[in-house]
Amino acid sequence: NAGVTQTPKFQVLKTGQSMTLQCAQDMNHNSMYWYRQDPGMGLRLIYYSASEGTTDKGEVPNGYNVSRLNKREFSLRLESAAPSQTSVYFCASIAGGVSGNQPQHFGDGTRLSIL
Amino acid sequence: DAKTTQPPSMDCAEGRAANLPCNHSTISGNEYVYWYRQIHSQGPQYIIHGLKNNETNEMASLIITEDRKSSTLILPHATLRDTAVYYCIVRSLGTGKLIFGQGTTLQVKP
Repeated sequence: NAGVTQTPKFQVLKTGQSMTLQCAQDMNHNSMYWYRQDPGMGLRLIYYSASEGTTDKGEVPNGYNVSRLNKREFSLRLESAAPSQTSVYFCASIAGGVSGNQPQHFGDGTRLSIL
Repeated sequence: DAKTTQPPSMDCAEGRAANLPCNHSTISGNEYVYWYRQIHSQGPQYIIHGLKNNETNEMASLIITEDRKSSTLILPHATLRDTAVYYCIVRSLGTGKLIFGQGTTLQVKP
């Protein structure tokens, strides 16, 4: 049971390039989340998907798009990368609905550097 | 969204109990308190959560005050591997999103 799997683990991009961060969970969870973490700070929510087919903005959505491909997969896309998007990106999933009290399970992160 | 306040850092001797405090004075009546920790920038690891009763699991205990405005995470016998940043979070109702503060850096010393 792998839990939440994020790919790639590391990536270096040039300003203006695009890329998609992948996240997949094998726990049959309904809701999925994308966070970013900058040095010395807590995580900030970018987007979330309460259920398959729905997505909503979090605190810092600008410059990102997401796709909930199916129940297992939730991808995060940077259309035109900027140095300010250099960060560690974490994906999380949760059983049940967003209004429940089950804990979120996190992946190990994608470390993204934009030059 | 309810905010939490934690001390930025704490030390604890190995083998002793670590008591990590958290204030959440604006918590709503049906919002849960969650504790996570993060080791070396790995993904946050869930520890425990509670609503109003004290909770205990294999990792820790959570003590929530009667007015629910504060809580304490207790690691009963801290080890060097418990050195991490500990986050106290009140989960947002309706969205399930977690609002992270800056957490408490716990240093367990030999």
